[in-house]
Amino acid sequence: RKEVEQDPGPFNVPEGATVAFNCTYSNSASQSFFWYRQDCRKEPKLLMSVYSSGNEDGRFTAQLNRASQYISLLIRDSKLSDSATYLCAVNLHDYKLSFGAGTTVTVRA
Amino acid sequence: DTGVSQDPRHKITKRGQNVTFRCDPISEHNRLYWYRQTLGQGPEFLTYFQNEAQLEKSRLLSDRFSAERPKGSFSTLEIQRTEQGDSAMYLCASSLVGTSGSNEQFFGPGTRLTVL
Repeated sequence: RKEVEQDPGPFNVPEGATVAFNCTYSNSASQSFFWYRQDCRKEPKLLMSVYSSGNEDGRFTAQLNRASQYISLLIRDSKLSDSATYLCAVNLHDYKLSFGAGTTVTVRA
Repeated sequence: DTGVSQDPRHKITKRGQNVTFRCDPISEHNRLYWYRQTLGQGPEFLTYFQNEAQLEKSRLLSDRFSAERPKGSFSTLEIQRTEQGDSAMYLCASSLVGTSGSNEQFFGPGTRLTVL
């Protein structure tokens, strides 16, 4: 079983829609969690950290469910510029991040 | 730009040649990481440094790979006798870990290696 798994998508949504997707992790001892955004052929950019019960940043909401070992990302009022691959990352031993393969989101006009 | 920088951005080499990449982290960050990413996959951890000490190496890092961070600032990643399977994006990241220890890692633009 992979350490971090994501639904690859793609999620094709119209502008203004809400889209949500999950990321599951296998090690219950994982300490911290992150969402990164990656545009085609670019580096991952930190979107938000996810701690304890989750957090919100503008149109983006991240949740952590330790019991079921998953985190989620919800994007409200989608913009064309939200089209990207969203990578989930999990920190186990306070150094390396283990990444999922990413979820592709395409927002259409 | 005060972010992580990497050089070169692109490298095309022939199989069997040696290549070296450089990473300059965010200046106040004490940790520096190397990852590798292939198409359709997330980044995979290779190694990391705390200051100048290399503290962990992945099993992905064969003996053809070596990384250094001699003065605790910039780092180099060398690949000897490159193979076609080494073709990937090599990403460097840095973080500041201290008592508050969030370990948020910030990535550089990467070096895209193509081995012919």
